Amino acid sequence: QSVLTQPPSASGTPGQRVTISCSGISSNIRSNTVNWYQQLPGTAPKLLLYRDNQRPSGVPDRFSGSKSGTSASLAISGLQSEDEGDYHCAAWDDSLNGPVFGGGTKLTVL
Amino acid sequence: QVQLQESGPGLVKASQTLSLSCTVSGGSISGGTYYWNWIRQPAGKGLEWIGRIYPSGSATYNPSLKRRLTISIDTSKNQFSLKVTSVTAADTAVYYCARSDRPYDDWFDPWGQGTQVTVSS
Repeated sequence: QSVLTQPPSASGTPGQRVTISCSGISSNIRSNTVNWYQQLPGTAPKLLLYRDNQRPSGVPDRFSGSKSGTSASLAISGLQSEDEGDYHCAAWDDSLNGPVFGGGTKLTVL
Repeated sequence: QVQLQESGPGLVKASQTLSLSCTVSGGSISGGTYYWNWIRQPAGKGLEWIGRIYPSGSATYNPSLKRRLTISIDTSKNQFSLKVTSVTAADTAVYYCARSDRPYDDWFDPWGQGTQVTVSS
């Protein structure tokens, strides 16, 4: 069972905006920043967002992040078929003294 | 740019030791203030951080796995390694190596492609 809680699945049609939630507790999300990883089918995870809402070079601005209290969200606007895959949230946990992950959300583009 | 590549046996017998290596190319493993991590993902499940090592040799482990883990580094080979003792079916997973660049509140970038390890009875 993962430390952070994500919905197992999400879906949308091309062009739509979808959001994926990530819930934690005070020792992780409230106290530290949240990172998001995109895992396309059959590939390794790739950094999508860091420090709640920062995009690495090359990540389109269709991807955005936010955080409030012990919850964070990933928003994808202008959904595209190539966005289909798994999305994982992560945050440092002060009690574990290490990073923790969510269980991942499988995004389907209908 | 820096690339990471995992290697090691894909099949390990239960109760034995799992050994993997991660080779870093495109940069020195001891250059900069980077941490070198191991992360795993059982089939259909989420990611789990295993532990990390700094070029000085200082390692930090996930408490839930700590008693079975050893992470080491060989700067001359630009490699770091993972050993997990007394493996069970629960250790069957894809194992990834990844880089992070701060002692806490960090993120992983880049990642290796991953290697499947299956524990057989």
